[in-house]
Amino acid sequence: DSGVTQTPKHLITATGQRVTLRCSPRSGDLSVYWYQQSLDQGLQFLIQYYNGEERAKGNILERFSAQQFPDLHSELNLSSLELGDSALYFCASSLLAGVKDTQYFGPGTRLTVL
Amino acid sequence: SQQGEEDPQALSIQEGENATMNCSYKTSINNLQWYRQNSGRGLVHLILIRSNEREKHSGRLRVTLDTSKKSSSLLITASRAADTASYFCATGSTQGGSEKLVFGKGTKLTVNP
Repeated sequence: DSGVTQTPKHLITATGQRVTLRCSPRSGDLSVYWYQQSLDQGLQFLIQYYNGEERAKGNILERFSAQQFPDLHSELNLSSLELGDSALYFCASSLLAGVKDTQYFGPGTRLTVL
Repeated sequence: SQQGEEDPQALSIQEGENATMNCSYKTSINNLQWYRQNSGRGLVHLILIRSNEREKHSGRLRVTLDTSKKSSSLLITASRAADTASYFCATGSTQGGSEKLVFGKGTKLTVNP
């Protein structure tokens, strides 16, 4: 158990809908990262927050947004969903902000868009 | 886009044998990390090697890094059925002013009992 929690575990929704994925980092970790894993694209970095502020951006679509709250939990919002958004979404956390830190991954949310 | 490319894509060995996975990358890095993922689950950090290090050990794991060839290898010795998983290399580098970890597509290792 990494100490990172993600809810829900599974999510099934329809095209055009909007969903929110939630992540609670390990106790004491200030950074939260979001990744998307699909069969064809592999594990893609989406976005990172550090202590409430956006720190780095990856291949995140404009339809997607995220935020980190004062209690350090984070939410990833996915809107106008398309079939291609079906994937595993992982949240990871680390103590600090840089790539020298080990990232601890949550169990993931499996999103299925029908 | 992927930075690290693992080779082979899939590897099947017998219990007790050694497993070697390779990773190649394109740009300069701060460090290189290896992660493991059991089917459909979260990734677990295995080992980090800095750009100024050549070799690192952790238990049955041995990682080498050759920055001149932009490549790394992960060796798992005396493999066990429980080592069956996908293994990913991830390169840590500074891109566009921010530090990012970029993952390869992974090597799927099957250890047969």
